[in-house]
Amino acid sequence: EPEVTQTPSHQVTQMGQEVILRCVPISNHLYFYWYRQILGQKVEFLVSFYNNEISEKSEIFDDQFSVERPDGSNFTLKIRSTKLEDSAMYFCASSGLAEPNNEQFFGPGTRLTVL
Amino acid sequence: DQQVKQNSPSLSVQEGRISILNCDYTNSMFDYFLWYKKYPAEGPTFLISISSIKDKNEDGRFTVFLNKSAKHLSLHIVPSQPGDSAVYFCAASWANRDDKIIFGKGTRLHILP
Repeated sequence: EPEVTQTPSHQVTQMGQEVILRCVPISNHLYFYWYRQILGQKVEFLVSFYNNEISEKSEIFDDQFSVERPDGSNFTLKIRSTKLEDSAMYFCASSGLAEPNNEQFFGPGTRLTVL
Repeated sequence: DQQVKQNSPSLSVQEGRISILNCDYTNSMFDYFLWYKKYPAEGPTFLISISSIKDKNEDGRFTVFLNKSAKHLSLHIVPSQPGDSAVYFCAASWANRDDKIIFGKGTRLHILP
C-alpha cells in the first residue's frame, strides 16, 4: 500500500540553525501539506501546497518557514533559523483526486528538537 | 479557537464491547469529517470519513454517525480489540482539495483485556 515517508525520523539542532525536513508524498497525489504537533497539544496545520505554489498557510508559518517541491517526488519544509518553540513533531501529508472526502494521508513524522 | 472539540481525554472499554468516541464542532460550514488513529511515535492514520450530507458511514468494525443539527459526530468501534488502543482524533475539513484539516485534541482509547 502506498505511503508517505519522511526523513529524518529525529532531528536535533541548535537554536538559530537551519533545518530541512524531507517528505516523499504518495506518488499520484497532487496536494501536499505540513502539520506539526507540539508535545501534549493538537495537530496544527502549517501550510498546503498545490501546483507548485502555496495554497494556504497558517499564522505559524512565518518568514522563517518555506516549502519546496524540488523534483517530482520530494516535498521539503525548511526552517531558516530555528527557535526553541519550533521543537515539535512535524507531519507531512498528501491527498489526491481519488479521495472522496478529501482524506489526507500522513507520514510517520519527524521529531525536531531545538536546543 | 476550538472548532473541533473532543471533550473526553481518555476512555477505557472492555475487549469485545463497543467503544464510542464523541466529537463536537462549531463551524457549520465543514463539508467533511474524518477520524484518524494515532499510535505513539507514528503519524495519524486515516480511519473513516463522512460527508456532511450523510448521517452514517460504515466500514467493517467502524461506524461514524453525524448529527448536523447537534453539530456532533461519533465513532463506534464494535467489537473493540486490543489493537484499537490508540489516540483517536476527530477532524474536519472543507470541500476544496487543498483545504486544511482541523483536528480535535484527541481521545486516548484503552481496550482492557
